[in-house]
Order: sequence, then C-alpha cells, then structure tokens
Amino acid sequence: GAVVSQHPSRVICKSGTSVKIECRSLDFQATTMFWYRQFPKKSLMLMATSNEGSKATYEQGVEKDKFLINHASLTLSTLTVTSAHPEDSSFYICSARDTSGGSSYNEQFFGPGTRLTVL
Amino acid sequence: GQNIDQPTEMTATEGAIVQINCTYQTSGFNGLFWYQQHAGEAPTFLSYNVLDGLEEKGRFSSFLSRSKGYSYLLLKELQMKDSASYLCAVLDSNYQLIWGAGTKLIIKP
Repeated sequence: GAVVSQHPSRVICKSGTSVKIECRSLDFQATTMFWYRQFPKKSLMLMATSNEGSKATYEQGVEKDKFLINHASLTLSTLTVTSAHPEDSSFYICSARDTSGGSSYNEQFFGPGTRLTVL
Repeated sequence: GQNIDQPTEMTATEGAIVQINCTYQTSGFNGLFWYQQHAGEAPTFLSYNVLDGLEEKGRFSSFLSRSKGYSYLLLKELQMKDSASYLCAVLDSNYQLIWGAGTKLIIKP
C-alpha cells in the first residue's frame, strides 16, 4: 500500500520557538494532504487541508498564522507551528490521498505522527 | 450538523467476537471507513464500505446500511493485539472525512 512518512516523530522544544513537521508521500503523488491534531483519548481533529500549489484550507478555529502550511510539491507538505506554547503540545498526524488512481478507495494514508511537547 | 456516534469503550475476551457499532448523520455520503489506531500511533486502514452489505476481510468484517445511517465492524477470533481504538469515519459530499471519537477495545485473556 501507499506509504506516508512524517518527520520528526518526536520533538521537544521551548516555548516561543517554531517547529517544522514534514509529511511525505513516498510512492505516490498527493495533490491533497491533510493535517490532523489529536489529544489523548480523543478523535482526530482536522486542522487544515493542504493543496499543492495553492493556499491551504483551514478549519474553523485553527489559526492560519500560527500553523503555517506549505505544500511545495506533489510529495511534500510541511506544517510549521510558530511561537509554540505548552497548549500546542499534541500528536500531529498528516495523511494523503492517492489521487493518481493507484488506490481502489478514497482512503487516506496516514503518516506515523509527530509527538510535540512544548516546555 | 454532522455527527458520528460510536461507543467510547468496549471489553471482550480473547478468542471471542465483538461488534463495534457506528451511526452517522452527514451532509452527503461517499463511503464509510474503519481505521484501527494503537496508542501513540497513526490510524491504519481496515475497511471501506460504500454500498449496503457486508464486506469480509479475514477476521474483520464491516457492514453498512445507508438507509439507516449505520455501520458495524465485526472482529472474530479476538487476539490480544486487537486491543486498540477503532475509528469510524464517513466521507461526506465534499470528500472530507468526518471522524467518530473512536471506540477503545480492551481484550482480556
């Protein structure tokens, strides 16, 4: 099946710093990628939809200036958490849909996630 | 609004069968997914239903009734490694995934 990588898997940073998370589709092209946030024992919360070559679409309540998304190529999307604070600590997961016709379904393939801890 | 309901937690015995239900109310329907998520890991795809009926895949089966807005995931011959959260998600008319809160399945020996 399609593989999505995410880097880093775990990051600890000081309050006020910025953190960049990369999401790559390794063996397929993804014009659309999705960024989720998940709190402990809670479901996935869609933050934004990343579109290659255009601006991301943010969900209501998600600050676009705080969570910068760049979808520079058909295989890479990045999420930058700017001026991170302890309340930004969470599990961030990206996913991608294989839009090349290589998938039988419309399923999203998930990256392994990034555990962000802001001290 | 859009809503996906599934039980918060279920407990079952190793070797037994368990059925996890999911009901949904969404704006449009383009399929229903079940994902498995182990603690601290990303979700992994289990099944996809877009037509009514039962889809069987090894020990796991998924059922859909579009008229009732209802699906279930059936797990047979439970193994300890099946302890995980099971997420129900519906693809709405905009092809956006609407997620349930997940059902934590606890398997006891």
